Amino acid sequence: DIQMTQSPSSLSASVGDRVTITCQASQDISKHLNWYQQKPGKAPKLLIYDASSLETGVPSRFSGSGSGTDFTFTISSLQPEDIATYYCQQYDNPPYTFGQGTKLEIK
Amino acid sequence: EVQLVESGGGLVQPGMSLRLSCAASGFTFDDYAIHWVRQAPGKGLEWVSGITWNSDALGYADSVKGRFSISRDNAKNSLYLEMSTLRPEDTAFYFCAKDIFPFDSFGYLGHWGQGTLVTVSS
Repeated sequence: DIQMTQSPSSLSASVGDRVTITCQASQDISKHLNWYQQKPGKAPKLLIYDASSLETGVPSRFSGSGSGTDFTFTISSLQPEDIATYYCQQYDNPPYTFGQGTKLEIK
Repeated sequence: EVQLVESGGGLVQPGMSLRLSCAASGFTFDDYAIHWVRQAPGKGLEWVSGITWNSDALGYADSVKGRFSISRDNAKNSLYLEMSTLRPEDTAFYFCAKDIFPFDSFGYLGHWGQGTLVTVSS
């Protein structure tokens, strides 16, 4: 199975900051990576697919990059409504494993 | 509007079985792969299983392999998860999630239900 290592596990930042989360796959997954946002008590929401494609309706301050084993998720200017936990997920090969999550808090 | 509504969760004793359902509406059900993802309270997400539009299982998480079985009934717009030999570590919210692209694209979990809670405890 492909292991996804996400870091950091938690992050505190100020409104307006640029925030970056990384995700590393245990083997080459090409660009088969998604990023999700999950707010407390809610289902996850797909933000980025194919490593860098923005899902319809998602604000442009969210972006993704990378291929192979190393991936990055960025919020260009943190907003209060971005407080959530973020997960990466590979879909190169089943089982479609998730990273451990990054809990983002406002400083 | 896409809607996915899970049901069938509840309290069950270790070793027992349970069947979860996911009722879908607002899209052409037969055209999309559907998945089960679970989340233990306060923990991260775990992909459990998925099934293609034409009912081929995509696989299972190692933690449930041999105990869980995924199926779908396209005539009823429904997805199922048969869970047997349940363990306390299976306690979680179980979400069904739909791919955003039809047919042979798998793993893009773009629409989610609100989840159903399964508690395995004596």
